[in-house]
Amino acid sequence: DVKVTQSSRYLVKRTGEKVFLECVQDMDHENMFWYRQDPGLGLRLIYFSYDVKMKEKGDIPEGYSVSREKKERFSLILESASTNQTSMYLCASSYRASYNEQFFGPGTRLTVL
Amino acid sequence: GDSVTQMEGPVTLSEEAFLTINCTYTATGYPSLFWYVQYPGEGLQLLLKATKADDKGSNKGFEATYRKETTSFHLEKGSVQVSDSAVYFCALRGAGSYQLTFGKGTKLSVIP
Repeated sequence: DVKVTQSSRYLVKRTGEKVFLECVQDMDHENMFWYRQDPGLGLRLIYFSYDVKMKEKGDIPEGYSVSREKKERFSLILESASTNQTSMYLCASSYRASYNEQFFGPGTRLTVL
Repeated sequence: GDSVTQMEGPVTLSEEAFLTINCTYTATGYPSLFWYVQYPGEGLQLLLKATKADDKGSNKGFEATYRKETTSFHLEKGSVQVSDSAVYFCALRGAGSYQLTFGKGTKLSVIP
């Protein structure tokens, strides 16, 4: 079974803190993705990576950065957390070919106070 | 750009009722189409997919047919169960793209 794990299910941080969300997949997938999920807005892509050290901006990259130093790990970084970044964050991975499905982790619910 | 529009929820049905969740899309070329399901407290799981026009995806009693002429991919199930209560997302991947574009999701509640 494909497994995508995320470092925390719930996280509470204060405004201005630097926040790291970690995602690990065990299927040797080339592609990895970070989404945020908000009620009434669905899922929106923040960043994705199609190879180690490669990254592409998604639809809402502002206020976020990413790191992919190893194939299995993709980190989302909030340089200075703000209250409007309170959300559910979902990581996903897939094989390179565009028709392949994405496999999702369980999500991290981040609250910024 | 690409977009997906799905029916607003929430949808409440009695057990064994017929389910339809409408999904239409806007995309250039020939996208691949997906339905994902999110059960309470979990991440998204792929429910079914179709990669070309007139393909029918099916899984766990759910079906959806890729209709290029109406740019639609409606989700149907003949008889829903309480265990089908979840949020359903329609999504597309543009031709040659890695990126999925999601609809806003439709919450389904099935009552006994």
